[in-house]
Amino acid sequence: EDQVTQSPEALRLQEGESSSLNCSYTVSGLRGLFWYRQDPGKGPEFLFTLYSAGEEKEKERLKATLTKKESFLHITAPKPEDSATYLCAVQAGNQGGKLIFGQGTELSVKP
Amino acid sequence: DAGVTQSPTHLIKTRGQHVTLRCSPISGHKSVSWYQQVLGQGPQFIFQYYEKEERGRGNFPDRFSARQFPNYSSELNVNALLLGDSALYLCASSFITGDTGELFFGEGSRLTVL
Repeated sequence: EDQVTQSPEALRLQEGESSSLNCSYTVSGLRGLFWYRQDPGKGPEFLFTLYSAGEEKEKERLKATLTKKESFLHITAPKPEDSATYLCAVQAGNQGGKLIFGQGTELSVKP
Repeated sequence: DAGVTQSPTHLIKTRGQHVTLRCSPISGHKSVSWYQQVLGQGPQFIFQYYEKEERGRGNFPDRFSARQFPNYSSELNVNALLLGDSALYLCASSFITGDTGELFFGEGSRLTVL
């Protein structure tokens, strides 16, 4: 069964304290792995797509990496405005446009 | 440019009632997907429509149905509401189907079933 597990469920950081979020997945024929950001009361906002092991993508203080079994979202010197829930999702090769989401990691960055 | 718009934003229903949620995709986007997000969980796939045809269905009972109109807007219908249907219902659009996970989400319709 295709599955996505994120850890930790919640993460509290001080401003400037770098850390990583983990996304472990099992999927039949990975077509892509995606990171989204979700603010309270809002819909998810697309961040990155990763397609193959070894691939990396960067955007401001965020860097996403991919291996054959997991992905990491590295946050460097976070700011309070980075506080949000970060969702990981996978797209399987035989399931069209369906995304399978993890439960998310709620990140809180304190000044 | 307008993003994905959903209506209503909030609604309260009682058990056994029926609800219709509406979604207008980004202009030019032909694929619409529906997701259910229960508090504290990630979104769960319900349906995908492309060019007015159903292209995928998640593990939801037949009480859930949807359709897409010629202008690519979409409706999600839920019959015989249960307490467990309380959730944020998200609509997402993309230009094409199946080839990208870069979905553009609306802000959702918050359904409370009493």
